[in-house]
Amino acid sequence: NAGVTQTPKFQVLKTGQSMTLQCAQDMNHNSMYWYRQDPGMGLRLIYYSASEGTTDKGEVPNGYNVSRLNKREFSLRLESAAPSQTSVYFCASSEAEGTRGNTIYFGEGSWLTVV
Amino acid sequence: AQKITQTQPGMFVQEKEAVTLDCTYDTSDPSYGLFWYKQPSSGEMIFLIYQGSYDQQNATEGRYSLNFQKARKSANLVISASQLGDSAMYFCAMREGWGYQKVTFGTGTKLQVIP
Repeated sequence: NAGVTQTPKFQVLKTGQSMTLQCAQDMNHNSMYWYRQDPGMGLRLIYYSASEGTTDKGEVPNGYNVSRLNKREFSLRLESAAPSQTSVYFCASSEAEGTRGNTIYFGEGSWLTVV
Repeated sequence: AQKITQTQPGMFVQEKEAVTLDCTYDTSDPSYGLFWYKQPSSGEMIFLIYQGSYDQQNATEGRYSLNFQKARKSANLVISASQLGDSAMYFCAMREGWGYQKVTFGTGTKLQVIP
């Protein structure tokens, strides 16, 4: 009953440090996503992966890299963290086809603070 | 131009009353889908309801219904018989096209249910 699992849940980084957010889904979904959520701005897409082996930029990719390690796992890396990257990060995945319009299922979020 | 517009930053509703949360969208693709998600204060994103552009009838899921007016490009969420547990942020989202699609979110509406 895990769905989408992301770690860590909370992290404080110093400016310039690097870190990787891990995400795994157990629903056999093809597509996976990383969003960030900032107050008053809804969710903005950072990167997505339509299927294993492919990744593409979303609306706000600068300062991030991703890896689709396999069908289950999709990681987000901050190479040199900046205070502007303080945000809540959501990993998500969606059904391959059809049912419920490729509904996106979200992880519980990762609260990242860069000081 | 914003693809998804939610013009109500905050709404109040009396317990047991119905409430409508507005969402307008902008797309030139004939195939698209609209979603509503709920985000309680705990932070998780909960899928509520989906409407496809070719669906003939308005979607309903329990106390949630989607008032889909294609010509006006609106997809308002109606919550009937509001409960205290409905207090949360509500996000409208849209995917465009067939196959894999990115999903764009609105900025959200904060609903507060008053006893």
